[in-house]
Amino acid sequence: EVQLVESGGGLVKPGGSLRLSCAASGFTFSTYNMNWVRQAPGKGLEWVSSISGSSSFIYYADSLKGRFTISRDNAKNSLFLQMDSLRAEDTAVYYCARANSGTYVTDYWGQGTLVTVSS
Amino acid sequence: QLVLTQSPSASASLGASVKLTCILDSGHSAYTIAWHQQQPEKGPRYLMKLNSDGSHSKGDGIPDRFSGSSSGAERYLTISTLQSEDEADYYCQTWGPGLVVFGGGTKLTVL
Repeated sequence: EVQLVESGGGLVKPGGSLRLSCAASGFTFSTYNMNWVRQAPGKGLEWVSSISGSSSFIYYADSLKGRFTISRDNAKNSLFLQMDSLRAEDTAVYYCARANSGTYVTDYWGQGTLVTVSS
Repeated sequence: QLVLTQSPSASASLGASVKLTCILDSGHSAYTIAWHQQQPEKGPRYLMKLNSDGSHSKGDGIPDRFSGSSSGAERYLTISTLQSEDEADYYCQTWGPGLVVFGGGTKLTVL
């Protein structure tokens, strides 16, 4: 059974940093592209970042302007999102998501972790 | 620019069928998309991947009531025999060179 479990969310002040983690199990992690997707309160889904299985290809939403960094550790079946210079508008539930084989379309979702940026 | 357009809302009666639409911009009309369901206060759930020829592959445990079809740049999600638990937000998603895009979502109300 595919499982994606996020952790690391919480309350952080504007300008602060946070590192999200996603523990994956139930599939061969290294062979799948992975996504981070977020959802602000009352809003729709917003793509944040994607990384290929070997980390050779990394993509970010233009709106992030270099503040976020995606990475993965295939030996530990883990996905990460380092978030720096956080702003109030980054407040959202952040989802770890597996991409369908050979694509970047999500076929499994984690339960999400809430990040709140507030003073 | 890769864009997915969805109507903000739809409604249909319990036991009836409904067809939701996701429209690709004209420059990307052959793209494959995915449909996701998000029930109130829950995380998203993958429903299916839908190709331009209408072929689709559903996620684990997705009932036969959910089906997909395509026509040109339009991608459809049809839900038959609507149940109360189908009341949810439905999102389409696609990807292109260097990016992933979501539609704005359609809020489905089951009357």
